[in-house]
Amino acid sequence: AQKITQTQPGMFVQEKEAVTLDCTYDTSDPSYGLFWYKQPSSGEMIFLIYQGSYDQQNATEGRYSLNFQKARKSANLVISASQLGDSAMYFCAMREALAGANNLFFGTGTRLTVIP
Amino acid sequence: NAGVTQTPKFRVLKTGQSMTLLCAQDMNHEYMYWYRQDPGMGLRLIHYSVGEGTTAKGEVPDGYNVSRLKKQNFLLGLESAAPSQTSVYFCASTQRGTQETQYFGPGTRLLVL
Repeated sequence: AQKITQTQPGMFVQEKEAVTLDCTYDTSDPSYGLFWYKQPSSGEMIFLIYQGSYDQQNATEGRYSLNFQKARKSANLVISASQLGDSAMYFCAMREALAGANNLFFGTGTRLTVIP
Repeated sequence: NAGVTQTPKFRVLKTGQSMTLLCAQDMNHEYMYWYRQDPGMGLRLIHYSVGEGTTAKGEVPDGYNVSRLKKQNFLLGLESAAPSQTSVYFCASTQRGTQETQYFGPGTRLLVL
């Protein structure tokens, strides 16, 4: 079974609007962490936001927030006030404590296009 | 502070040739990783290391070898390149600690003909 599932291959959003990128995960480890990375066309992987499985509140970093629904095993990324520079691939990833060495499992990504 | 660097940025190999990809980090991180990224797929872990002199297999280790002789360097070797190894290779590093994020290098684009 896939540990991380991103069901939206591509998404479009109007500039200045908010957009939600979906991510569901599968684990039996009670201790885990969820990450979102951005990959612009230049290719580098940029860390955006982190949510721990025991965190009581949803993580936020500037215009990024993580909608963490533990019972549904979902960790959706919300980008508010989209900008043209947000156009990129976005990857959700999970780290399981039992896996050791902070290894990450990645989803297949969502390509976000911001329309002017 | 350069972060994570990778050498080379791009390489073309013929089937059967060998090569070594070099990853270097200047953040004194304990853990280092090699991933490959193929179209339509996320990153998949090839090998990783939890410290100098130690390495372990990841999800897709076949056809690759690694070495970590120095804490700051992590080498990925292809002994006999195959077209299926055409990919973009990313190195990453992180500190020990379960909340630590991984920091990625810029990637190496490898084409095997």
